[in-house]
Amino acid sequence: SSELTQDPAVSVALGQTVRITCQGHSLRGYYASWYQQKSGQAPTLVIYSRNVRYSGIPDRFSASSSGDTSSLTITGAQAEDEADYYCMSRDDPGNHLIFGGGTKLTVL
Amino acid sequence: QVQLQESGPGLVKPSETLSLTCGVSGYSISDGYYWGWIRQPPGKGLQWIGSMHHGETAVFNPSLKSRFTISLDTSKNQFSLKSSSVTAADTAIYYCAREFSWGGSWYYDFWGRGTVVIVSS
Repeated sequence: SSELTQDPAVSVALGQTVRITCQGHSLRGYYASWYQQKSGQAPTLVIYSRNVRYSGIPDRFSASSSGDTSSLTITGAQAEDEADYYCMSRDDPGNHLIFGGGTKLTVL
Repeated sequence: QVQLQESGPGLVKPSETLSLTCGVSGYSISDGYYWGWIRQPPGKGLQWIGSMHHGETAVFNPSLKSRFTISLDTSKNQFSLKSSSVTAADTAIYYCAREFSWGGSWYYDFWGRGTVVIVSS
């Protein structure tokens, strides 16, 4: 089966732009979905499909994809964006789903 | 508003069977969608366990060696996860969630709050 690779940790200065990437073969056929998980909480959906923000997600979050890489961009990062971020995709064959290893975002 | 709530024993002995239930409110599980389980070992990332659609066969993470089963109980509007022969490696927070596919993407839009399972004698 495939894997989805994410950088373990990324930092960004308050108000600046940060990109979190997710790389894997399955992303050549499917869009990733992105999840935010704050400390001690369940994950929440941020973005899915080509670049569809889930209900209530601020427009500073956006997604893009190219080849085998999907990216989540936060434009003007806020302190409340500090969290772990996970990508997820469907993996063929087998019709199963896979998560990336997660990226810990620190807002400085 | 769709809500999911996991329940089950917080402590399971090694080699015994883990059994968790996810109660769903605000949506009938027989009306559609896939219903899935995800777990998170302490200090680690998310791991997809498997999911099931009403009337279809469940699909599982191939790395979990077929130890898991998922079943849907439409009369109670809940779904369950069972795992036989658990080990310490199964210690994790277990989440249930609603799964959907749209626009070339699969995603989980509603999640339970998670339930902690510790495997220990």
